[in-house]
Amino acid sequence: EIVMTQSPATLSVSPGERATLSCRASQSVSSNLAWYQRKPGQAPRLLIYGASTRATGIPARFSGSGSGTEFTLTISGLQSEDFAVYYCQQYDNWPPYTFGQGTKLEIK
Amino acid sequence: EVQLLESGGGSVQPGGSLRLSCAASEFTFSNYGMSWVRQAPGKGLEWVSGISGSGGATYYADSVKGRFTISRDNSMNTVYLQMNTLRAEDTAVYYCARYDYPRAFEYWGQGTLVTVSS
Repeated sequence: EIVMTQSPATLSVSPGERATLSCRASQSVSSNLAWYQRKPGQAPRLLIYGASTRATGIPARFSGSGSGTEFTLTISGLQSEDFAVYYCQQYDNWPPYTFGQGTKLEIK
Repeated sequence: EVQLLESGGGSVQPGGSLRLSCAASEFTFSNYGMSWVRQAPGKGLEWVSGISGSGGATYYADSVKGRFTISRDNSMNTVYLQMNTLRAEDTAVYYCARYDYPRAFEYWGQGTLVTVSS
């Protein structure tokens, strides 16, 4: 089973600034990596797939990068609605599909 | 717009059973694999089970293997999760999600809460 590790667990950033979230896989997942946003009471929302492709309707301030075992989600010009929990997920080697433990992005 | 609507959650005692349903609409259901993903209170997302578009292939997390059964009825555009021998640690919100490579889980339902407690 591929283990996904996200860092940091909590990230405090001021609105308008940039947030950088990291995700590491225990073995290569090529570019088969997705990022999701999770807000209380809402279903997870796909942000990025294929490590760097924005999903439909996702603003350009969200960007993903990386391949193999190291991945980054960058959110530029943070807006109030961006404060949430973010999960990475690999879909290269399954079952099981595995998620990271999440990074909580909070307002500084 | 793609819609996924879960139902069937509720409260059950340890050792009991529940059957979750997920009704899909606005896409050709049989063309897509479907999965169940759960989130326990205070925990992260955990993939539980998946099924191919035809229903011919099924997959399970080790934590539910032998207790849960996924199935689908393509004539009814519905995927099911039969959960037996439930444990307290199965308490979670259960989501169904549509899988499509390379877009991963692009669409999710709103979830249904399962509580296992005596």
